[in-house]
Amino acid sequence: GQQLNQSPQSMFIQEGEDVSMNCTSSSIFNTWLWYKQDPGEGPVLLIALYKAGELTSNGRLTAQFGITRKDSFLNISASIPSDVGIYFCAGQSPGSARQLTFGSGTQLTVLP
Amino acid sequence: EAGVAQSPRYKIIEKRQSVAFWCNPISGHATLYWYQQILGQGPKLLIQFQNNGVVDDSQLPKDRFSAERLKGVDSTLKIQPAKLEDSAVYLCASSITGSSNQPQHFGDGTRLSIL
Repeated sequence: GQQLNQSPQSMFIQEGEDVSMNCTSSSIFNTWLWYKQDPGEGPVLLIALYKAGELTSNGRLTAQFGITRKDSFLNISASIPSDVGIYFCAGQSPGSARQLTFGSGTQLTVLP
Repeated sequence: EAGVAQSPRYKIIEKRQSVAFWCNPISGHATLYWYQQILGQGPKLLIQFQNNGVVDDSQLPKDRFSAERLKGVDSTLKIQPAKLEDSAVYLCASSITGSSNQPQHFGDGTRLSIL
């Protein structure tokens, strides 16, 4: 099946710093999604991208849909302690089922 | 609006036993998904329903896993018999439709531990 390579696997940053994470795929996607998951909870959608080249912001978060349709990145600016969690990218493939494929996650730790 | 409800939150069973999970999607959401999330990994789709019909169950281990959504609303996922490698969080999600521009909303999951 399709696989997403998400990096980095984990990050330790100081409060106030910016952070960037990305996902790449061997196949194209029609939609890229970024989710955040806190311990004991389900993933929560942060940003959805629907067009190649699209750049979308949600507060301090910015994500882009790569023009090749095989990659996406998420930036978080001016990190704060509540940004701690696991961030997942997910791609939705063309076709009738439109199955979501998730990356393996980036564990973000924000140090005070 | 109320979110996706799942129960139980935790379940501990011995291998070879049976277990069932329940999901109630957001009201009005036609599409329902069951995912398996193994520790340290992203969620993996097991089965997708559109109303009461199965859209995709290609990654469901059908020799031991089964799922139903008889009335097109809530759903149950069953494992019988359980194996050690089934230890995971089982997440339910729903969306208004299965379209790519309709985001999936997740419940908080059921954490299953197999002894």
